[in-house]
Amino acid sequence: AQSVTQLDSHVSVSEGTPVLLRCNYSSSYSPSLFWYVQHPNKGLQLLLKYTSAATLVKGINGFEAEFKKSETSFHLTKPSAHMSDAAEYFCVVSRSARQLTFGSGTQLTVLP
Amino acid sequence: EAGVAQSPRYKIIEKRQSVAFWCNPISGHATLYWYQQILGQGPKLLIQFQNNGVVDDSQLPKDRFSAERLKGVDSTLKIQPAKLEDSAVYLCASSLDLGANEKLFFGSGTQLSVL
Repeated sequence: AQSVTQLDSHVSVSEGTPVLLRCNYSSSYSPSLFWYVQHPNKGLQLLLKYTSAATLVKGINGFEAEFKKSETSFHLTKPSAHMSDAAEYFCVVSRSARQLTFGSGTQLTVLP
Repeated sequence: EAGVAQSPRYKIIEKRQSVAFWCNPISGHATLYWYQQILGQGPKLLIQFQNNGVVDDSQLPKDRFSAERLKGVDSTLKIQPAKLEDSAVYLCASSLDLGANEKLFFGSGTQLSVL
């Protein structure tokens, strides 16, 4: 069985400050992990993915995530938030394309 | 590159009515998914096709939901009869293949309100 927990349903940051969106996963095997972003009225878009190559994964728009097996975490970070980053973010764990499990999402608000 | 197309964008129906959603995946993508996203929750897989065959429909409420992908390209998802708890956004996604690391491309979704 696999599951993913996004620890914060809402995160607010000021523009120009760092972003941290937290995700913990549970899996009995070596999972693939993803972060997707959903802007209002738009489809989900892949930000980045971890597939056991490198533990620090760089994605689009300056986001990156670090896979920490000892902590079963895959937190998403960005050094400096931009207004356009305001959206909902989903952490996803995958055993195979048949078994994608989405977290419940974190709504990121960026304040001017 | 054209994305995943879905229609309609919004649909409002009364309970016990029927409704159908349409999806056209990205050209060449063999795998097509239908997800249900209830407000405040992450998407939940309803059904997955590989070409025109069903790979996984274990979470599809088959007494009221049906889906088909007859020619292995576009797909329709139907609900008959609808219940209040079916109010959600229905997302279609596609990918090149079934691999564990395949990137999914999502459509904008159909927002269904059942009154």
